[in-house]
Formats: sequence, C-alpha cells, structure tokens
Amino acid sequence: GAVVSQHPSWVICKSGTSVKIECRSLDFQATTMFWYRQFPKQSLMLMATSNEGSKATYEQGVEKDKFLINHASLTLSTLTVTSAHPEDSSFYICSARIQGGLTFGSGTRLTVV
Amino acid sequence: QKEVEQDPGPLSVPEGAIVSLNCTYSNSAFQYFMWYRQYSRKGPELLMYTYSSGNKEDGRFTAQVDKSSKYISLFIRDSQPSDSATYLCAMSPDSNYQLIWGAGTKLIIKP
Repeated sequence: GAVVSQHPSWVICKSGTSVKIECRSLDFQATTMFWYRQFPKQSLMLMATSNEGSKATYEQGVEKDKFLINHASLTLSTLTVTSAHPEDSSFYICSARIQGGLTFGSGTRLTVV
Repeated sequence: QKEVEQDPGPLSVPEGAIVSLNCTYSNSAFQYFMWYRQYSRKGPELLMYTYSSGNKEDGRFTAQVDKSSKYISLFIRDSQPSDSATYLCAMSPDSNYQLIWGAGTKLIIKP
C-alpha cells in the first residue's frame, strides 16, 4: 500500500521550454506532498511543501515562479519547471506523508539541453 | 556543521558480512528517525522507522537510536548483493516529517 506514482521517469527538453511532472497517490489520499531535488551523489534537498487546496510553501532559495506546484486534489500534485535551463537539470522526487514517515515516487530525471 | 552527518562512503563489504551504517546529529529535538534505501535513479524507499530511543528489528535489518549520544545506526545481517544501494538517514522533531537528511552512504556488497 501507500504507493506514489510519478511520471515521467525521465525527460529531455530544450532550454526555454516548460516541463510538468505528475505525482499521484494510488491507494491513499495525500493531503501533503513534498517535492525534492537531488543532485548526483548528494542528498535530498526539499524544494517545497504542498497541501491540498492551498498554495505551496517554498524553501528559502527556491524560485516559486520557476517551480510551479499545484496540489488540486488529494491524489494529484504537479511540479512544473517553467522556462527550463541547463542548470535545472536534476533528479526531482515527490513524496507524501504516511504513517511512520514518507513514501516516495520513483523520481524524474530532467535533462535540459 | 551540518545538522545530520553521514559518511558518504562508498562502503564495500563481502557478501554475508554484517553491515553497520551510522549517522550523528546535533539537534536534540529530533524524535523521529528513519532509514531509507535508494537504488540508482529511483526514489528512496522507507526501510525502518523509529520513534525516540531504542532498537527496532525487521528481518535482516536492525535500527538503533541512542539519543544521549545523538547517534543512530542501521545494521544489515547476512548482507546480499541486492542490498547494494545508497542508504540515507533522516530525522524530524515531529510527526510532520519535514525531514532533515543525511548525505547518504553508498553500500557495495561484493559477491
């Protein structure tokens, strides 16, 4: 149980375009979703916390106009990287709060060329 | 100084060995402690969850928390090549689970 499905698993896009990443909770309702970014050989960096039906809370240094988060329902949260640039290339992972911790999506590897 | 310190490794051991992975932390307010396993290009998977001090065992895995020393450990018995992954410790002062993460230790189990 408590599965978070994340799509796409990888995406390559041109600089200046936007990319949307989706996370769906398959068998539970996720009132809170966390979005992380992970650089190679580094730990997870929390980008933002989203609560269903309200605006996301962004961590210091994360541009909210660049990383648009929508949590319109209890089973779906999306992260849109707008006007992507090569420095946005990274591994993005969503997670949802469950009893005893967080359950994670499988991650999205974004490459901006 | 980071709030959570974890040796990034890599740690390489032969198959069947007992593995010990550790994290130290500085914030005495942490109450919830977790270990996650992350395979390459995948999201982390929750392995063990412990509240406050003590030990917890699940199959070949044992998690220990020593709050007096601000030190947590994960032991893996009878290690298998399939255990090769990066192991991340994470902790939180409350059940909101806005976790503070260690850097992760890369573990390699050699057949």
